[in-house]
Amino acid sequence: DAGITQSPRHKVTETGTPVTLRCHQTENHRYMYWYRQDPGHGLRLIHYSYGVKDTDKGEVSDGYSVSRSKTEDFLLTLESATSSQTSVYFCAISEGTDTQYFGPGTRLTVL
Amino acid sequence: QKEVEQNSGPLSVPEGAIASLNCTYSDRGSQSFFWYRQYSGKSPELIMFIYSNGDKEDGRFTAQLNKASQYVSLLIRDSQPSDSATYLCAVISSGYGGSQGNLIFGKGTKLSVKP
Repeated sequence: DAGITQSPRHKVTETGTPVTLRCHQTENHRYMYWYRQDPGHGLRLIHYSYGVKDTDKGEVSDGYSVSRSKTEDFLLTLESATSSQTSVYFCAISEGTDTQYFGPGTRLTVL
Repeated sequence: QKEVEQNSGPLSVPEGAIASLNCTYSDRGSQSFFWYRQYSGKSPELIMFIYSNGDKEDGRFTAQLNKASQYVSLLIRDSQPSDSATYLCAVISSGYGGSQGNLIFGKGTKLSVKP
């Protein structure tokens, strides 16, 4: 997985609770991404980062926020989780705006 | 809205046959194209990328690109049961502002290789 870890790997939470997912890389790549993958929708970009403290929205950013205080860490926060945010979340990294490598994923269930 | 279309399958081929996976894209300005393989319950794994019109071969895999027709394909020769997975086509968006340079994924084609 190209030196990418995600934590936790599985999480079950309740509606309305805050949740933070962590992506950690050891490749020193500039770009980091958060995707969600749902049946019938494929992979969709939530947010991405092009450097420390530099982030931007993707296709499905509503209800999510991100932070990147260090090159190696990219955090995804669900401020108040909803059942529609039940999904598999993947982090990805790239050196340039090109080939992306994916982490192992986090399976999140919101009850 | 930039789109990448794939036949969802399942595509079933016998072991040893050639599997042909197809993808069309709507963004005429796209320049970079990728194929990822995803086993059930696992993360997407890069198989190939292609930037120029024509064919690019890597082992049993051949990627084909036709920018005029906005068409990308992946051929898998001598298919093996271990090739059974979902194959995702992805295209770098040439869009303006925040979407430029982002990967747009198709929904994937499920391939099943029968022994």
